[in-house]
Amino acid sequence: KAGVTQTPRYLIKTRGQQVTLSCSPISGHRSVSWYQQTPGQGLQFLFEYFSETQRNKGNFPGRFSGRQFSNSRSEMNVSTLELGDSALYLCASSPGARETQYFGPGTRLLVL
Amino acid sequence: SQQGEEDPQALSIQEGENATMNCSYKTSINNLQWYRQNSGRGLVHLILIRSNEREKHSGRLRVTLDTSKKSSSLLITASRAADTASYFCATSLTADRGSTLGRLYFGRGTQLTVWP
Repeated sequence: KAGVTQTPRYLIKTRGQQVTLSCSPISGHRSVSWYQQTPGQGLQFLFEYFSETQRNKGNFPGRFSGRQFSNSRSEMNVSTLELGDSALYLCASSPGARETQYFGPGTRLLVL
Repeated sequence: SQQGEEDPQALSIQEGENATMNCSYKTSINNLQWYRQNSGRGLVHLILIRSNEREKHSGRLRVTLDTSKKSSSLLITASRAADTASYFCATSLTADRGSTLGRLYFGRGTQLTVWP
């Protein structure tokens, strides 16, 4: 079975721009979660989607948004980028709640 | 705030030695998972242990869970240079916290270095 895939792998943006990251979960997995990893804050939960519904949201500003499509693929969007948004963005999929979450390779975003 | 905290922050050992990492958490959990991360890449799932389990094994890995002490340990036996990575524990909270379904709380990680 193919693992979780994330595109793009690397991104460079400038302040004020917006960015969209994509995640394709493992086939059959309906839950997709997003995490932000930075050296200062570590791994922080962004949001979780299950069957196209946002089930849970972390403590991030409204500039961070996401969605899930009927095929379980998910996207997250960050608008009006700030320098502090530079991070590794990780997507994870699981069959359901409180099951093993399998992570993708991440998208490394650099905001200049 | 971080739910889980790993200890030590860094661990340096020789190949062939055992490596033990600990994780403490604050609130009741449904399960605890251990992950490995190599140089800022994706997280690789190692083991999931549920709150009603005390010990699990997978190859050279042994995980214990003590819910009375709110702690877990990961033991890697006969370490290899390829085990060099950051190791994270992540907790999933109990069912009565419905709003946290699917959310994992991560610690800061233990950086393990295994020297050849």
